[in-house]
Amino acid sequence: GENVEQHPSTLSVQEGDSAVIKCTYSDSASNYFPWYKQELGKRPQLIIDIRSNVGEKKDQRIAVTLNKTAKHFSLHITETQPEDSAVYFCAASIRSDYKLSFGAGTTVTVRA
Amino acid sequence: KAGVTQTPRYLIKTRGQQVTLSCSPISGHRSVSWYQQTPGQGLQFLFEYFSETQRNKGNFPGRFSGRQFSNSRSEMNVSTLELGDSALYLCASSLAYGDTQYFGPGTRLTVL
Repeated sequence: GENVEQHPSTLSVQEGDSAVIKCTYSDSASNYFPWYKQELGKRPQLIIDIRSNVGEKKDQRIAVTLNKTAKHFSLHITETQPEDSAVYFCAASIRSDYKLSFGAGTTVTVRA
Repeated sequence: KAGVTQTPRYLIKTRGQQVTLSCSPISGHRSVSWYQQTPGQGLQFLFEYFSETQRNKGNFPGRFSGRQFSNSRSEMNVSTLELGDSALYLCASSLAYGDTQYFGPGTRLTVL
């Protein structure tokens, strides 16, 4: 089955700096890559997603890039703010498999 | 539209008991997936249902089962509870597979 690895496990950044989280996946048939943000005690919420026919997608301060050849995708958060502090999960799925395989998560702390 | 709802929000059971968790998807969504979230194993896929049919199942023992009703509401059942079943159980709904999955708030199960 699909195996998703996520790095780093923790990330501390100064407010206003950028944060980058990287994920690799094992199955070349994976074609959908969402990112979720989970604040303490709350449900995971989708922040951005990308499909395999697109190399990059941006939504305000958040962007995701996908390298299908290398089988890795990354989340970029620019101009970080204290409210960006949370656990971020990457995931991958194969359309015919009907499931999301998640990375282990990255705890992001934005220092004021 | 109302979001995904899960009941109950918290449960305390003892080893050997069984438990049933409920998930109501967003109106119009026909796909419901279940995940187990623990600090050690992260988010792991349990199963996915679409139109009352289970389309995929994760690597969990047969004590974990589920079903979906004609109104797309879903239940999962865990029999003969073990201490290791303590976790946050999340369900997620989507219009169809491959679309964005929206998570419910989860049911926090504690097994004593």
